[in-house]
Amino acid sequence: QVQLVQSGGEVKKPGASVKVSCRASGYTFTSYGISWVRQAPGQGLQWMGWINNYNGDTKYAQELQGRVTMTTDTSTNTAYMELRSLRSDDTAVYFCTRGPYCSGGTCYSQYFDPWGQGTLVTVSS
Amino acid sequence: AIQLTQSPSSLSASVGDRVTITCRASQGFSTSLAWYQQKPGKAPKLLIYDVSSLQSGVPSRFSGSGSGTEVTLTISSLQPEDLATYYCQQFNSYPITFGQGTRLEIK
Repeated sequence: QVQLVQSGGEVKKPGASVKVSCRASGYTFTSYGISWVRQAPGQGLQWMGWINNYNGDTKYAQELQGRVTMTTDTSTNTAYMELRSLRSDDTAVYFCTRGPYCSGGTCYSQYFDPWGQGTLVTVSS
Repeated sequence: AIQLTQSPSSLSASVGDRVTITCRASQGFSTSLAWYQQKPGKAPKLLIYDVSSLQSGVPSRFSGSGSGTEVTLTISSLQPEDLATYYCQQFNSYPITFGQGTRLEIK
C-alpha cells in the first residue's frame, strides 16, 4: 500500500537547522510530488511547499523562502525538508504528503494523499 | 493568497444528524478544492477532492458540493467515528491554503 514514513521527533535550539526525511513506498515515486505541511500546537495546517520528484523543481511558501530547502533522493524514494535559522514559532508537527500527480512534465490537481505520520520539531532554548 | 473561511468553527451534533460545513473563499478557485478529516493526534486524511469527488475508501455519507467561491462538506448521517476537525484546502493558485478548521463534536 502507499505509505509515507517520516523520521523521528527533534529538539533544536533557536538558530539551529533541522532536516526531516520522508520515505515513500508502494507507488512510482517520480510520478508524484512530495509536499510539506506543518501544524503548530493547537493550530491549523500551513502549506510549506513542494518538490517535483521527477525533475527536482521546487515551490516554496513565500514566508519560508530563504530558510527552507526541499530535496529528493530517487535512489531511496526519500524526500527531505530542511529548515534553517529555527525560531520558537517553528515548533510544529511537520507532515509530508503525496501530491500532486505529475506526468510528461505536467502536474495536476494538488490535493494530498496519503500523509506521513508527522514529525514533531520542538525549538526551545 | 486565497483566504478560506470555514463556518462554523465548531459544532456539536448527535449521531444520525445531517451535518454541513461551509468553506468560503476570498477569490474563485474553479474546482480546485479538497476536504480533509483530522482525528486527534493523527495526520489529515483526504475525504473529497475537486469539490465533489469522493476519495476511494471514504464512506458515502460524506459528500461535497458547491462552486465559485463557496463549497460545502456534508455528512448525511453522523457517526461516532466522525469526531474530528475538518479542513478545506484550495489548490487553484499558490500559495496553497487551508481553512482554519471546523471542530466537530458528538453530543
